Amino acid sequence: DAGVIQSPRHEVTEMGQEVTLRCKPISGHNSLFWYRQTMMRGLELLIYFNNNVPIDDSGMPEDRFSAKMPNASFSTLKIQPSEPRDSAVYFCASSLMGGGISYEQYFGPGTRLTVT
Amino acid sequence: AQSVSQHNHHVILSEAASLELGCNYSYGGTVNLFWYVQYPGQHLQLLLKYFSGDPLVKGIKGFEAEFIKSKFSFNLRKPSVQWSDTAEYFCAVTGDDKIIFGKGTRLHILP
Repeated sequence: DAGVIQSPRHEVTEMGQEVTLRCKPISGHNSLFWYRQTMMRGLELLIYFNNNVPIDDSGMPEDRFSAKMPNASFSTLKIQPSEPRDSAVYFCASSLMGGGISYEQYFGPGTRLTVT
Repeated sequence: AQSVSQHNHHVILSEAASLELGCNYSYGGTVNLFWYVQYPGQHLQLLLKYFSGDPLVKGIKGFEAEFIKSKFSFNLRKPSVQWSDTAEYFCAVTGDDKIIFGKGTRLHILP
């Protein structure tokens, strides 16, 4: 398996523009996670899906952020409008979850977002 | 509520020193425990995990961790660190389909 795939790897955009980050989880995994990492705030869980359904979105910063998982092999994280404080590395991870057990997460390479 | 506490935010050691990174969690039910490592400029990778059985688990690159249920702890250890162990280390706990990561410990090994 190619692992978790994220695109783009780098994104530079201007404040106010819409940004869409994409993730393809490992085939067979039923859970998908979006994280944000900055020097100041560390690693933050934004949202996670189980069987394509959002389970916990309490980490989503505000209404400018939205995430979708239309099928088991694809998810997007959208920021509209983007702001300089959104600059960070965004990681997607996938895992198997069920029967009260959450197995290890496999992380993608991340998308480095810079908003100017 | 679940929580994970990593006591040391930044640790500096010389090569060949012994390492122990603390991790304590707060959760009343059955948990699964993980340590992840993030090398500079890379994504997080699994170092080791505990689900059940022997509370002393061994991971990659000579790392091990011990689950002490009575202390709600899962400390990471390595007897002799190398310069290549310079990285950030995250403890994580899952239970009831929730996962919580600690804030991370930055480890810097002096050559």
